[in-house]
Amino acid sequence: KNQVEQSPQSLIILEGKNCTLQCNYTVSPFSNLRWYKQDTGRGPVSLTIMTFSENTKSNGRYTATLDADTKQSSLHITASQLSDSASYICVVSAAPQGAQKLVFGQGTRLTINP
Amino acid sequence: DAGVIQSPRHEVTEMGQEVTLRCKPISGHNSLFWYRQTMMRGLELLIYFNNNVPIDDSGMPEDRFSAKMPNASFSTLKIQPSEPRDSAVYFCASSLRDRVLHEQYFGPGTRLTVT
Repeated sequence: KNQVEQSPQSLIILEGKNCTLQCNYTVSPFSNLRWYKQDTGRGPVSLTIMTFSENTKSNGRYTATLDADTKQSSLHITASQLSDSASYICVVSAAPQGAQKLVFGQGTRLTINP
Repeated sequence: DAGVIQSPRHEVTEMGQEVTLRCKPISGHNSLFWYRQTMMRGLELLIYFNNNVPIDDSGMPEDRFSAKMPNASFSTLKIQPSEPRDSAVYFCASSLRDRVLHEQYFGPGTRLTVT
């Protein structure tokens, strides 16, 4: 069964600190892995997309890693800001050619305190 | 570009009533997706269209749910009759299928409450 599991479920850190969110998946066939940021009351917004051949990708203070062998990904946030408070969702594409099937994790709720 | 547009943003209805959610995808995008999000189940794909044709509706929970895409700029998700367990946020997303990584752009969502 295709599944995406994220940890922790929630995390609280102080502004300026770094943090790392985890994502483990059992999705086949693997096409790509995405991290989304979802602010309260809004739709998800893409942060990074990585294919099988990529093991790291950055978007500003966000850096995602991918280990396709162990089927794990992480999202590292550097020098956190209050605006980083949001849910972060890991999404894996189980995409046979021509299809676009995304498997969503439950998300990690991140709170940045001043 | 205005992004994906959804209406209404909030809908409160009584059990048994028909509910219609609307979506206008980003101009030029040829794939459209309907998702449902709840605290218990997270985000779930309900159905997606390519070039206005439904490709995968395996996520549609039951016959009470139906979706249409009469043209490239408009789609509806209908629930008839609605039930309290349908209460959720419904997102529409669109993408340009010809791009390799099929980036999906989400709308702001419709928060549905069925009493």
